[in-house]
Amino acid sequence: QKEVEQNSGPLSVPEGAIASLNCTYSDRVSQSFFWYRQYSGKSPELIMSIYSNGDKEDGRFTAQLNKASQYVSLLIRDSQPSDSATYLCAVKGRGSTLGRLYFGRGTQLTVWP
Amino acid sequence: DGGITQSPKYLFRKEGQNVTLSCEQNLNHDAMYWYRQDPGQGLRLIYYSQIVNDFQKGDIAEGYSVSREKKESFPLTVTSAQKNPTAFYLCASSFIESSSANSPLHFGNGTRLTVT
Repeated sequence: QKEVEQNSGPLSVPEGAIASLNCTYSDRVSQSFFWYRQYSGKSPELIMSIYSNGDKEDGRFTAQLNKASQYVSLLIRDSQPSDSATYLCAVKGRGSTLGRLYFGRGTQLTVWP
Repeated sequence: DGGITQSPKYLFRKEGQNVTLSCEQNLNHDAMYWYRQDPGQGLRLIYYSQIVNDFQKGDIAEGYSVSREKKESFPLTVTSAQKNPTAFYLCASSFIESSSANSPLHFGNGTRLTVT
């Protein structure tokens, strides 16, 4: 059983701060990693994907991947109250489970003004 | 606009009744998925299908059934055998990629099922 672990939080940061969300995964051969944002009562929406070791930046979001440590993180710079949501880490399966995403339970983020 | 349509948004049923949740996509995606989400829980995979007329059980398939007669459609039936059917149900789709390509899941807006 592939496992994806996230700190459940809640994580609370002031407006303008950097929010750091972390995720570890158990399947060493995983190649594709995704961060989804889910507002309360809504469906998840993709905000970042990362496939190679290192950093990937998109606006205020930076995803970081370290395959040796089986660790992926999401940094949100200049956090805004509108960033308050649950962030889901997802890891894509390989081989017989190609196409499946394995999700963590999510980290709830609150950005207070 | 391309997207995934789930209907209805809210659904109420009496215990012991079967209920079917609709999912249609016009993204030309090959694969479709059904997830269940309970409060404070992550997404758990019920069933998925990578090709028409074929589907595989996910982690919590008991009490559910699916069909994939068309590429665009992947309805989920919650049967009376499902012991705790009240949940938020999410349909998703993606392209089937080669080992060198990566296709994220795109989600519908979900159906919130309440069984009393």
